[in-house]
Amino acid sequence: AQTVTQSQPEMSVQEAETVTLSCTYDTSENNYYLFWYKQPPSRQMILVIRQEAYKQQNATENRFSVNFQKAAKSFSLKISDSQLGDTAMYFCAFMEYGNKLVFGAGTILRVKS
Amino acid sequence: NAGVTQTPKFQVLKTGQSMTLQCAQDMNHEYMSWYRQDPGMGLRLIHYSVGAGITDQGEVPNGYNVSRSTTEDFPLRLLSAAPSQTSVYFCATIGGKGNSPLHFGNGTRLTVT
Repeated sequence: AQTVTQSQPEMSVQEAETVTLSCTYDTSENNYYLFWYKQPPSRQMILVIRQEAYKQQNATENRFSVNFQKAAKSFSLKISDSQLGDTAMYFCAFMEYGNKLVFGAGTILRVKS
Repeated sequence: NAGVTQTPKFQVLKTGQSMTLQCAQDMNHEYMSWYRQDPGMGLRLIHYSVGAGITDQGEVPNGYNVSRSTTEDFPLRLLSAAPSQTSVYFCATIGGKGNSPLHFGNGTRLTVT
């Protein structure tokens, strides 16, 4: 079974600085999708960014970008110019065939002013 | 456009009681799923459905039943609640194949005493 590992239970960063959240996964598939979701204290699950495994180019969404290393099975999230509103739990997720999403345990990110 | 609607938002049950968590979507999505979120474990798949009349088990199905009589609704039933089922429950749908993200409901916080 596929697994997703987020090795950082908690992270903190100063406002306006850059932070990177780590994620590794295990799969024998060649084509798959990876996602980062944000969960603020409101409990809402918000899609931050997604990456298709067949695309070599790293995905970018405004201040959020990923470093996708397919051979190493690594999918880290970089947040630039951190804002107070980025404070949340962040989940890395892997989508296998059949649309089932496997989530990591999450990383709590605190942005400090 | 309501998207994915979960009810109730909060629920307290006594051990042995039964209840149904409701999930309704107005996006005509074929795929619907239920996850539970527990501290340190991320979100884990309970049951999912790829269309009306079709359901299947996820990673943690024990103690839960589902049915899918219509495209719009995917209720989750707890027949005899146990304290181990204390969790936050999310319903999620996908509109297409793997390049579509999950659309989440706002979650139900369930406490079993």
